[in-house]
Amino acid sequence: GENVEQHPSTLSVQEGDSAVIKCTYSDSASNYFPWYKQELGKGPQLIIDIRSNVGEKKDQRIAVTLNKTAKHFSLHITETQPEDSAVYFCAASKEGGGTSYGKLTFGQGTILTVHP
Amino acid sequence: NAGVTQTPKFRILKIGQSMTLQCTQDMNHNYMYWYRQDPGMGLKLIYYSVGAGITDKGEVPNGYNVSRSTTEDFPLRLELAAPSQTSVYFCASSQRQGVVYSNQPQHFGDGTRLSIL
Repeated sequence: GENVEQHPSTLSVQEGDSAVIKCTYSDSASNYFPWYKQELGKGPQLIIDIRSNVGEKKDQRIAVTLNKTAKHFSLHITETQPEDSAVYFCAASKEGGGTSYGKLTFGQGTILTVHP
Repeated sequence: NAGVTQTPKFRILKIGQSMTLQCTQDMNHNYMYWYRQDPGMGLKLIYYSVGAGITDKGEVPNGYNVSRSTTEDFPLRLELAAPSQTSVYFCASSQRQGVVYSNQPQHFGDGTRLSIL
């Protein structure tokens, strides 16, 4: 089955700096890659996702890049703010019919701390 | 719209007890999922359902059971609680898109924190 590795496990930055979190996946058939943000005591919330037909997607201060050949994808947060402090998870899934049914395999998570 | 609602938020069980974690969604989503999250780990899929009356095992199903009698509800049952089941449990839902399934974002509840002593 799919295996997703996420690095680093913790990341500490100063407000205004950029933060980058990287994930690798093992199943070359995976073609949907969402990123989730989890705040303390809450469930994960989708912040951005990318499908395999594009190499990069951006939404304001957040961007995700995908390298299908190398089987890795990354989350980039620019101009970080204290409210960006949270746990971030990457995930991978296969689209299409069959037995995928949207099942996600998650990375282990990155604790991001943004210092004012 | 409440989204995905999980109850209870917290629970302490004794070894061998049973309980049901409730999950309901008001978005008319076809697909529902149960995950567990252990400290320092990502979420692992326990069971999922693609519609009322249809359920299947995920990565870590042992010790759990599910049912899906309606589109809205997807309860998770622990029959004989064990310390290894101490975890945070998340329910999620997503919508089927088209005949050939196109992944749609999963919406999560805020979790049930379960301790088994």
